[in-house]
Amino acid sequence: GDSVTQMEGPVTLSEEAFLTINCTYTATGYPSLFWYVQYPGEGLQLLLKATKADDKGSNKGFEATYRKETTSFHLEKGSVQVSDSAVYFCALVSGGGADGLTFGKGTHLIIQP
Amino acid sequence: DTEVTQTPKHLVMGMTNKKSLKCEQHMGHRAMYWYKQKAKKPPELMFVYSYEKLSINESVPSRFSPECPNSSLLNLHLHALQPEDSALYLCASSQYGGGSNTGELFFGEGSRLTVL
Repeated sequence: GDSVTQMEGPVTLSEEAFLTINCTYTATGYPSLFWYVQYPGEGLQLLLKATKADDKGSNKGFEATYRKETTSFHLEKGSVQVSDSAVYFCALVSGGGADGLTFGKGTHLIIQP
Repeated sequence: DTEVTQTPKHLVMGMTNKKSLKCEQHMGHRAMYWYKQKAKKPPELMFVYSYEKLSINESVPSRFSPECPNSSLLNLHLHALQPEDSALYLCASSQYGGGSNTGELFFGEGSRLTVL
């Protein structure tokens, strides 16, 4: 079946540091890939997505590129802020999405001033 | 309106109580979901309603009973719960259901349930 593997953390960085959160996947066919973010006390929000190989998703300074050859979708940001502290979930949907999203375990990101 | 609204935000109930969680969206979405999320874990899919019909039930115990009265509303009826059912219950919606699901889900803020 489909699966998503991501570093669990917590990942602690100083403000303005460069961020990478690794995500790799296993799926049949050609999945769509997502990063969702969950701020403390809130539900999940879609951060960015990519639907085919070599697509780059971007939003709020975050970027991720769909790499089919390495089955990866790593999340990056050039300069993090304290307000980026949250839990980040990599996810995929495949086969038309009838079974819903497959989530990774989540990465807790802590940004210190 | 791009919101999914869940009520109540917090619920404390005893093991013999009957309560309900409610979820509402007015985006015209045709699929709605219930997820259960334990602390520091990813959401676990419980139920999916696609075009107002139950399409997925992920082997959830019968003490959880979903209901979709119309395309905008989703309920989760709770009865005889156990302390281990304490969790954040998230509702979500997507524009299309079934085999056309794009994976773009809109989540509510959740109902935090504590079972004593």
